[in-house]
Amino acid sequence: NFMLTQPHSVSESPGKTVTISCTRSSGSIASNYVQWYQQRPGSAPTTVIYEDNQRPSGVPDRFSGSIDSSSNSASLTISGLKTEDEADYYCQSYDSSIVVFGGGTKLTVL
Amino acid sequence: EVQLVESGGGLVQPGGSLRLSCAASGFTFSSYWMHWVRQAPGKGLVWVSRINSDGSSTSYADSVKGRFTISRDNAKNTLYLQMNSLRAEDTAVYYCARDNGDVSPWGQGTLVTVSS
Repeated sequence: NFMLTQPHSVSESPGKTVTISCTRSSGSIASNYVQWYQQRPGSAPTTVIYEDNQRPSGVPDRFSGSIDSSSNSASLTISGLKTEDEADYYCQSYDSSIVVFGGGTKLTVL
Repeated sequence: EVQLVESGGGLVQPGGSLRLSCAASGFTFSSYWMHWVRQAPGKGLVWVSRINSDGSSTSYADSVKGRFTISRDNAKNTLYLQMNSLRAEDTAVYYCARDNGDVSPWGQGTLVTVSS
């Protein structure tokens, strides 16, 4: 099984752009789609990116996803940061029929 | 509206058992794989188990293999997680979630506390 490694925390100012990385420990990042979830305190996670770079309806286009085979990682980029974006973000992929989550990244918008 | 509602959580002693339920509505439950995911207090998301649409295939995280059993009743639109030999480290909010390519949506979660 592989692991997904995320930075523990990131912070940025309102209006700026932040990128959260998610590095796969073994196997190709392109082998399985990567999803990204937002979790606000006291709430269940919701999807902000699926299938590497697709946005569910209702998610603003300030959120974008990508993968980079050279670094074997996926990235979530949030532009035009708003205070409401402050939350925990988790990347997720599949290993056969097993779900793998990254450890999560706490985004602080200050 | 797709809705998942978990129940059955509570306080249980180490070594005890608990069965969680997840009532699904707003979609054709029998067509979807389903997952249980847990989150210990202040910690990240950890996948626990999944079951395919007709219940014939299951998978488990190593940490719960042999102790937890996932099942479903498609006639009742309900997902279950039978948890035996519970340990303190099983303390968490347990979420059920649909497999939609991504893991979504999620229920609101039910808290399981394992303590003497």
